[in-house]
Amino acid sequence: QKEVEQDPGPLSVPEGAIVSLNCTYSNSAFQYFMWYRQYSRKGPELLMYTYSSGNKEDGRFTAQVDKSSKYISLFIRDSQPSDSATYLCARNSGGSNYKLTFGKGTLLTVNP
Amino acid sequence: NAGVTQTPKFQVLKTGQSMTLQCAQDMNHNSMYWYRQDPGMGLRLIYYSASEGTTDKGEVPNGYNVSRLNKREFSLRLESAAPSQTSVYFCASSSRGTGADEQYFGPGTRLTVT
Repeated sequence: QKEVEQDPGPLSVPEGAIVSLNCTYSNSAFQYFMWYRQYSRKGPELLMYTYSSGNKEDGRFTAQVDKSSKYISLFIRDSQPSDSATYLCARNSGGSNYKLTFGKGTLLTVNP
Repeated sequence: NAGVTQTPKFQVLKTGQSMTLQCAQDMNHNSMYWYRQDPGMGLRLIYYSASEGTTDKGEVPNGYNVSRLNKREFSLRLESAAPSQTSVYFCASSSRGTGADEQYFGPGTRLTVT
């Protein structure tokens, strides 16, 4: 079992919808969870990160970790066509472990 | 400040040919990484370099070699290309390599092996 599982979608929503993107993880030792956004034919860029026990909000984006169910989520409120991209969840174990393990990514399309 | 740059952007190779993918960063980062991205497989780590002078294998190192030439540059070499190495290759760098240290990615190299 891959350490981070992500539903690849694709997901298509109308503009203004609330989007929920989800990943599950298998190793409780993970400390940091990240969401990267990747536009078509571009490199990924960091969108948000959370520590294992926290939620984090940044504008229309909220990253959430549920340790009891080993579930991490990214919520996008009032979605815009410019949010259309692939969203990748990732984790590392903190400390000196600098390697990231990525989920497969979810392709999101927001239709005007 | 260009961030992470990669050359070439596109490459077509015949089976058995060799080539080197170049990566450079101008952010004075300690750690550098090479990933490949395939449809349905996500990003997979090929090799990484925690600091200048060190390199280690990632998840999918077979068929590749790397060189951390100096703090700025980290190259990926395919000695004898195979069709299974057709992929998009991304280089990334990070400053401390600890905690939630953000990795900055280059624009990618699209490689086709025929």
